[in-house]
Amino acid sequence: QSVLTQPPSVSAAPGQKVTISCSGSSSNIGKYYVSWFQHLPGTTPKLLIYDNDERPSGIPDRFSGSRSGTSATLGITGLQTGDEAHYYCGTWDSSLSALVFGGGTKLTVL
Amino acid sequence: EVQLVESGGGLVQPGGSLRLSCSGSGFSFSDYYIDWVRQAPGKGLEWVGRTRGKAHSYTTAYAASVQGRFTISRDESKNSAYLQMNSLKTEDTAVYHCARVLRGVSSSWIMDVWGKGTTVTVSS
Repeated sequence: QSVLTQPPSVSAAPGQKVTISCSGSSSNIGKYYVSWFQHLPGTTPKLLIYDNDERPSGIPDRFSGSRSGTSATLGITGLQTGDEAHYYCGTWDSSLSALVFGGGTKLTVL
Repeated sequence: EVQLVESGGGLVQPGGSLRLSCSGSGFSFSDYYIDWVRQAPGKGLEWVGRTRGKAHSYTTAYAASVQGRFTISRDESKNSAYLQMNSLKTEDTAVYHCARVLRGVSSSWIMDVWGKGTTVTVSS
């Protein structure tokens, strides 16, 4: 049972937009910055968003992040088949004194 | 090129020990935290622990699931971090990645470079 709650799966058609939610509490998302990672099978996890809404260099602006209260959201526009992957949110939790990840969301581009 | 490379994985019996290494290159190693993150078969990402950088006196932190069994250390002269795993359990079977984390001002954190991982299998 993850401290951060994500939907197990989302799906959308190519070219469409999808959002992935990450729900936490006042001891984690409500207090600390959130990052989002993309993980394709057999590859290394890739940082998509850090500090709630910042994109590292090289990440296209199709990917966006936001935070409101104790929840965070990853948005992906102009979906491509290459976006099919698992997506994880992560942040620090002061109650656990640990970094915590969401359970992950599998994105299917139909 | 900035990179992290893990090594040391393998097959070990329950109750046994294993030491993983994470070698960094292309960046100022002491400026970064080095985190260990694992992924068990069919499961999601799980944070294992970290060694903080020079600015934070190389202190460590661990997930509750490994506290008391795993120890993280680092050797700045070798630009390397280590994960000593003792009293291994079958549920520790996973791919273990190391990742660098840059801590900025106001609790900013960036986990931007990951190693490809090394596989640990705990089985009799």
